[in-house]
Amino acid sequence: EVQLVQSGAEVKKSGESLKISCQGSGYSFNNQWVAWVRQMPGKGLEWMGTVYPANSESRYSLPFQGQVTISADTSISTAYLEWSSLKASDTAVYYCARETRYFFDLWGQGTLVTVSS
Amino acid sequence: AIQLTQSPSSLSASVGDRVTITCRASQGFGSALAWYQQKPGKPPKLLIYDVSTLEKWVPSRFSGRGSGTDFSLTISSLQPEDFATYSCQQFNSYPPTFGGGTKVEI
Repeated sequence: EVQLVQSGAEVKKSGESLKISCQGSGYSFNNQWVAWVRQMPGKGLEWMGTVYPANSESRYSLPFQGQVTISADTSISTAYLEWSSLKASDTAVYYCARETRYFFDLWGQGTLVTVSS
Repeated sequence: AIQLTQSPSSLSASVGDRVTITCRASQGFGSALAWYQQKPGKPPKLLIYDVSTLEKWVPSRFSGRGSGTDFSLTISSLQPEDFATYSCQQFNSYPPTFGGGTKVEI
């Protein structure tokens, strides 16, 4: 089955670090971009950035540049989204999604990150 | 970045109604426009890409059209399972951006 499976919900405190994951299966994970998309409570979708697993090239949206790190490990077909110091405003659901041409055709189930101050 | 403005932000309709959601871009672009359906607590699902191409799972009552800066999604005869939030998305250039979403309530 073609799918992206994300790690489970996280509850953290401000200032803590966090790395969430997204494992792909059923397709050639290495050769398709994997994006991360944020959805804050009751809000719309925001593209944060993307990674090309085969060469680890990453691109970021300006608001997220320097705030998060997106990476991938081809040996386990997994992409990551990482924070070094969380803020309460990082509370959101984070989705990974496969980028195919000009759209996102496969989504993970989402990871809820709750950050308390 | 290209900004996408959807209207309305929410609507209430009845089963069988024809519903149209619009998506206006801050600058014109080609055909890299997609629509997603999202139900509560679930990830978005790709509904339409390249402005008007339906994904395999999508019933024919859905259609997309538009060009330049103005795009639309139409549901010709609303069904109970169409209760969801619909979002447009452009990928003409980095960064890809999404509209704010339209919540369709039955």
